[in-house]
Amino acid sequence: DIQMTQSPSSVSASVGDRVTITCRASQSISSWLVWYQQKPGKAPKVLIYGASSLQSGVPSRFSGSGSATDFTLTISSLQPEDFATYYCQQANSFPLTFGGGTKVEIK
Amino acid sequence: QVQLVQSGAEVKKPGASVKVSCKASGYTFTRYGITWVRQAPGQGLEWMGWISAHNGDTDYAQKLQGRVSMTTDTFTTTAYMELRSLRSDDTAVYYCARIELTAPYYYGMDVWGQGTTVTVSS
Repeated sequence: DIQMTQSPSSVSASVGDRVTITCRASQSISSWLVWYQQKPGKAPKVLIYGASSLQSGVPSRFSGSGSATDFTLTISSLQPEDFATYYCQQANSFPLTFGGGTKVEIK
Repeated sequence: QVQLVQSGAEVKKPGASVKVSCKASGYTFTRYGITWVRQAPGQGLEWMGWISAHNGDTDYAQKLQGRVSMTTDTFTTTAYMELRSLRSDDTAVYYCARIELTAPYYYGMDVWGQGTTVTVSS
């Protein structure tokens, strides 16, 4: 199975800050990586697919980069509605696997 | 609009079974797969398995093999997930999500159900 390791597990940030979350795969997954945002009590929603493609309707302050084993999600200027938990997921093969999540909290 | 609507919350005793439904609408059901993901209280996301709505092929997480079954009804565009021999650590919110039929699953799980809470308690 492909293991996904996310860091940090939590981050405290202020509105307007730049936030970077990293995700590492235990083997190469090319660009088959998806980033999700989940708010309490809600289902996850796709932010980024194919490592760097922005899902329709997602604000442009979100961006993704990386390939092979190392990936990054960046929020360029944190907004109040961005406080949530973020997960990466490898889309290369079954079993699909998620990172452990990064909780973005208000500083 | 494209949506997945799941059945309501369930409370079960240890050893029992639960069957959760996921009604799809707004897209051609047989052109996608359905995947199931669960989330225990305060925990992360766990992939449970996948079913092709095109031909019924399945792939289950190894840890659930033998206890989980996923099926679809193409006439009612509904997917089902049954989990047997329930234990307390099966207590979780269970989600269905739409996904492509073949790897790589480029767009990810792009449409999600609202979640079904399953509580296992004696």
